[in-house]
Amino acid sequence: DIQLTQSPSSLSASVGDRVTITCRASQSIRTFLNWYQQMPGKAPKVMISDASTLQSGVPSRFSGSGSGTDFTLTISGLQPEDFATYYCQQTYTTPRTFGQGTTVEIK
Amino acid sequence: QVQLQESGPGLVKPSQTLSLTCTVSGGSIISGDSYWTWIRQTPGKGLEWIGYIFYNGNTYYNPSLKSRVTMSVDTSKNQFSLNLSSVTAADTAVYYCARDLSTLHSSGYYVNWFGPWGQGALVTVSS
Repeated sequence: DIQLTQSPSSLSASVGDRVTITCRASQSIRTFLNWYQQMPGKAPKVMISDASTLQSGVPSRFSGSGSGTDFTLTISGLQPEDFATYYCQQTYTTPRTFGQGTTVEIK
Repeated sequence: QVQLQESGPGLVKPSQTLSLTCTVSGGSIISGDSYWTWIRQTPGKGLEWIGYIFYNGNTYYNPSLKSRVTMSVDTSKNQFSLNLSSVTAADTAVYYCARDLSTLHSSGYYVNWFGPWGQGALVTVSS
């Protein structure tokens, strides 16, 4: 199975901050990497697909980059509704796997 | 727009079979671009992909659960189902159904992502 390791596991930030979350794959997955946002008690929601493609309706302050084994999710100008847990997920092969999650908390 | 909804017992006894159904509305389950998927989430193991079923019945299961998992599809009811046998407390989780959507990228390869998801069903394994 392809292992995805996210860092950090959690972070504290303030409204307006720029936040960066990284995801490292155990082998190359080209750009077959998605990012999800999960609010408490809710199902995850896809934010970015194919490493850098913003899903419809997702604010432009979210961006993704990377290829191969190293990927980044950036939130430029954190908003109150962005405090959530973020997961990376690979679709390069089956079984599909997820990172362990990064919780963005209010400082 | 497509919506998914899980249904089934919230409590299952150890060694018994967990059974959940996902009802798809707002679109047909007979779709060549969709792999109907089960995912579970636990505080300890995070998000775990269980497997998927295609509308024609083709399946792919996570090898870690393969010996205990069976998925089926009922196109007449626009539903797909999950059976997980011989459950233990470790199978206590929130179970989600989701669509694994496959779309053709402009560069000629297929891109997949999970969406939409059902709201999730908490299943507790306990006597």
